This record gives sequence, structure tokens and C-alpha cells, in this order.
Amino acid sequence: DAKTTQPPSMDCAEGRAANLPCNHSTISGNEYVYWYRQIHSQGPQYIIHGLKNNETNEMASLIITEDRKSSTLILPHATLRDTAVYYCIVRVGGQAGTALIFGKGTTLSVSS
Amino acid sequence: DTAVSQTPKYLVTQMGNDKSIKCEQNLGHDTMYWYKQDSKKFLKIMFSYNNKELIINETVPNRFSPKSPDKAHLNLHINSLELGDSAVYFCASSQEGASGRLFFGEGSRLTVL
Repeated sequence: DAKTTQPPSMDCAEGRAANLPCNHSTISGNEYVYWYRQIHSQGPQYIIHGLKNNETNEMASLIITEDRKSSTLILPHATLRDTAVYYCIVRVGGQAGTALIFGKGTTLSVSS
Repeated sequence: DTAVSQTPKYLVTQMGNDKSIKCEQNLGHDTMYWYKQDSKKFLKIMFSYNNKELIINETVPNRFSPKSPDKAHLNLHINSLELGDSAVYFCASSQEGASGRLFFGEGSRLTVL
């Protein structure tokens, strides 16, 4: 079972920041927070991941609370092409024998 | 070049047939996976191979048999296809010991009539 909780859906206006929350209150010390998204029925696409510190890359920023029980994915300037299902996943990083366990995710709808 | 490629992308077949879906990755990764996404859009892990060795085998009917001839390939063979096998099957790969990031293929949509 997925160890994360996400809102089922969110809306965002084009050009505005999209802030997607995720709760992972039972996260273990060696588990990373990963974010993936799936546009329509394409293969899931990696966005970002982190352990303790906030992370930023060309796609998004990841803010992890100090107690690591929740995190927020930020798309700074959402576009129509960011409409997708976003998955927050916790997993021990880089360890054989563990897989990404997907939950229901958040369906983000970006509109003009 | 596509990092993780699956063939075929679409497969329509009759109940009772046997079919295979092939997956190849050119990333040099040592772990490969098969996921199934059903009509309700849930993505579920089916199998994982690390260096050609099966390391994850979720509760999947034994009609499904993964085969890994080498590190770069993980094929999925399905015997006696049933209506409930209709789904999109995604292959993925990762390099263990690194970030654990998974790279997914574009999926193979299987329709059983």
C-alpha cells in the first residue's frame, strides 16, 4: 500500500504556481520522497526527489518539512502541458528489492 | 535513442492466446520492472529483476512469466490470456545504489477480446 496521502484533484491557472501537498507521516529515516507525473496514459515521468533538504531542478521545487512528515511539490509557473496526475512516493533510495509503490495521486488541471 | 523501449505499443488478441511484450533499456541499469495499469488507472508493481535475478514478485497469476535474458532486457510472457489482463503494461529500469530514480517506457496497451 502507498504510504502517502494526496488530495485527489487540484486546479491551477496557467502561469501561476501550482503547490501540490503530500502527507507521509510514517516515513522512515532512510526513505526518500519522490515525485512523478503521468501525462494522459504516457509512461510516468520523474520530476524530483529529496531526503531532508529542499530541492530544486529545472522542472520543480520540493519542500520537505523539518519533521519530514509532509512535503510540497511546487511548479513555479504552471502551463497547460503540466496537466497530469502527480504521484508522491516514499521509497528507500537506490535499494534493490524495493519498488515505487504508486497511490492514487493528485490530478492537476491547469487552465487558461 | 529511447532509454526504455517496449514493443509492441498496442496488442489486441483473443482470450486464451499467449502473447509476449518485450522491453529493452540502453541506460546500463541493473534493475528492471514491470508495472500494470488497469482501467481504474492504478499503477501496480508486478515484477522486478536485478542483474537477471527475480527480486520482486507481487501476487501475480502464474500465467505471467517474466524472462530476463540479460541485464538490458526484461520480457513479459502471458499465457491463456483473460479479459481481466486488458491493461497498459509499463516497463521501467533503475540503477540501484544511486538515487533510485526509475525510468519508464511508454507502455504497451493490451486488449483482450
